[in-house]
Amino acid sequence: KAGVTQTPRYLIKTRGQQVTLSCSPISGHRSVSWYQQTPGQGLQFLFEYFSETQRNKGNFPGRFSGRQFSNSRSEMNVSTLELGDSALYLCASSLGLSSGGADEQFFGPGTRLTVL
Amino acid sequence: QKEVEQDPGPLSVPEGAIVSLNCTYSNSAFQYFMWYRQYSRKGPELLMYTYSSGNKEDGRFTAQVDKSSKYISLFIRDSQPSDSATYLCAMNKGGGTSYGKLTFGQGTILTVHP
Repeated sequence: KAGVTQTPRYLIKTRGQQVTLSCSPISGHRSVSWYQQTPGQGLQFLFEYFSETQRNKGNFPGRFSGRQFSNSRSEMNVSTLELGDSALYLCASSLGLSSGGADEQFFGPGTRLTVL
Repeated sequence: QKEVEQDPGPLSVPEGAIVSLNCTYSNSAFQYFMWYRQYSRKGPELLMYTYSSGNKEDGRFTAQVDKSSKYISLFIRDSQPSDSATYLCAMNKGGGTSYGKLTFGQGTILTVHP
């Protein structure tokens, strides 16, 4: 069974630009969660999508947005990039069980974004 | 103060040692507890998943949860150089408000030397 895939693996952008990252979940998984990982803040939750709907959102500014398609693939977008957005962006897929917590998340390899 | 605290280490042990990794948390609403392993330049890999208090064993790994003390542990027996990685604890409250949201510790960097 193929794992979670993320594209691209590496990105270099300049301040003020926007970027779109893509995530393909494990086959059969309907939930996709996005996280930002930095040395200072660790792994922080951005948002979660299930059946094309955002069910949960973390404490990030509106410049961070996402969407999910009918095949469960997901994209996240960051507009007006800032230097502080440099990070590893990880997505995780799961079955999306309604109980919320009883839902194992499997992570992709991440997209490393560098903002110059 | 962070909801989940984890000693970042680094922790260095000889091959064959028993390793103990720990996290404390402040929010009693957490019900689901996980340990992930992350190798350099890779995504986190799920090692252990437990619900509420108790122990769970899987091969060389044992996870313990003590909800009364708000304390979780991961023990690695007979540690190997291939166990060298960053270990992250993660938690979820369960229920509708927690969909997809794992709260992570900072991660402990572990090195097992031959």
